[in-house]
Amino acid sequence: NAGVMQNPRHLVRRRGQEARLRCSPMKGHSHVYWYRQLPEEGLKFMVYLQKENIIDESGMPKERFSAEFPKEGPSILRIQQVVRGDSAAYFCASSLGRLADYEQYFGPGTRLTVT
Amino acid sequence: DAKTTQPPSMDCAEGRAANLPCNHSTISGNEYVYWYRQIHSQGPQYIIHGLKNNETNEMASLIITEDRKSSTLILPHATLRDTAVYYCIVTGDSNYQLIWGAGTKLIIKP
Repeated sequence: NAGVMQNPRHLVRRRGQEARLRCSPMKGHSHVYWYRQLPEEGLKFMVYLQKENIIDESGMPKERFSAEFPKEGPSILRIQQVVRGDSAAYFCASSLGRLADYEQYFGPGTRLTVT
Repeated sequence: DAKTTQPPSMDCAEGRAANLPCNHSTISGNEYVYWYRQIHSQGPQYIIHGLKNNETNEMASLIITEDRKSSTLILPHATLRDTAVYYCIVTGDSNYQLIWGAGTKLIIKP
């Protein structure tokens, strides 16, 4: 039973390019969360999605960042016109249902480096 | 901001029980206590969660005080592979997100 999968594991982009991060939730999970982690810091919530719907995007920067979770296929976190400050580890988590009833399972993360 | 307070670091001898404390004095009635850990920048790993009663699973035990203002995560027989940052998180039905503090860096020593 595969866990949460994320790809790529490492991504290098030059300033101004676009970064696309993919997340495939665990089988049967329809709730997906994205978090960002800067070095030596805890995770920061970005966005919570269910299939085809954004439920909570209160942690997403207002510009350049977007997320989707289509009916078919993985969830995508898209960062346009990347800047050096976007360099971080991005983690995706999935759950069976909404948090407090169900724990979240995390993927291995995507390490984004902006040069 | 995180609703929990944890010591920044702890040591424990291999084979002994590791007891990690967490204060959550502002917890409300419908909020759960969750514990996760992160081993060296890997994806966080779920350990255990509870509401009022003590909980135990194959990984750990969670002891919640009667007033629910603090809890302790117990790893009964710590191994070197348990070296990680442990996060105590309080979240409730109205929350969609986990709010992470700085956690406790647990180092298991041979």
